[in-house]
Amino acid sequence: DSGVTQTPKHLITATGQRVTLRCSPRSGDLSVYWYQQSLDQGLQFLIHYYNGEERAKGNILERFSAQQFPDLHSELNLSSLELGDSALYFCASSLRLAGAPLNEQFFGPGTRLTVL
Amino acid sequence: DAKTTQPNSMESNEEEPVHLPCNHSTISGTDYIHWYRQLPSQGPEYVIHGLTSNVNNRMASLAIAEDRKSSTLILHRATLRDAAVYYCILLPGTYKYIFGTGTRLKVLA
Repeated sequence: DSGVTQTPKHLITATGQRVTLRCSPRSGDLSVYWYQQSLDQGLQFLIHYYNGEERAKGNILERFSAQQFPDLHSELNLSSLELGDSALYFCASSLRLAGAPLNEQFFGPGTRLTVL
Repeated sequence: DAKTTQPNSMESNEEEPVHLPCNHSTISGTDYIHWYRQLPSQGPEYVIHGLTSNVNNRMASLAIAEDRKSSTLILHRATLRDAAVYYCILLPGTYKYIFGTGTRLKVLA
């Protein structure tokens, strides 16, 4: 158990819909990262928040948005869903900002999103 | 973007050493080489990291080439529980955490 929790575990929805994935980081961790993992794309970095502020963006679609709240939990919002958005979405947390030599990321169990 | 190249898959026999290679020819002087692994049906987990010198921990060893353009993760005695996807990643790199597709390690009993 990494200490990172993600809800829900599974989500099934239809094309065109909007969903929200939730992540609670490990106690004390200030950084939250979101990743998408689909079968043919490997693990893709989406976005990084540190203490409520966006710090880095990866290949995140405009239909996707995220935020980190004052209590440090984070939400990833996916809208106008397409079949291709079906994937595992991982959240990770770390204590520090990215530049620290060891800034081990602890990954949650993931949310499996299926878009029908 | 700082990128790494790894073989798609490798096989090893149980109880034998495994050497997982990673090429990172565009590494910058401030990049640390990190390895993570993803066991089946789990999120990735940290394995080891290094800058210039070889590193050992309870899970593995990391051998880094003198020019830092490549590295090798060494599992000294592979077990069935080491079957996973192994990712080599440069951090902070461009802060875009490029994990790629990693190397799928199969351990044969």
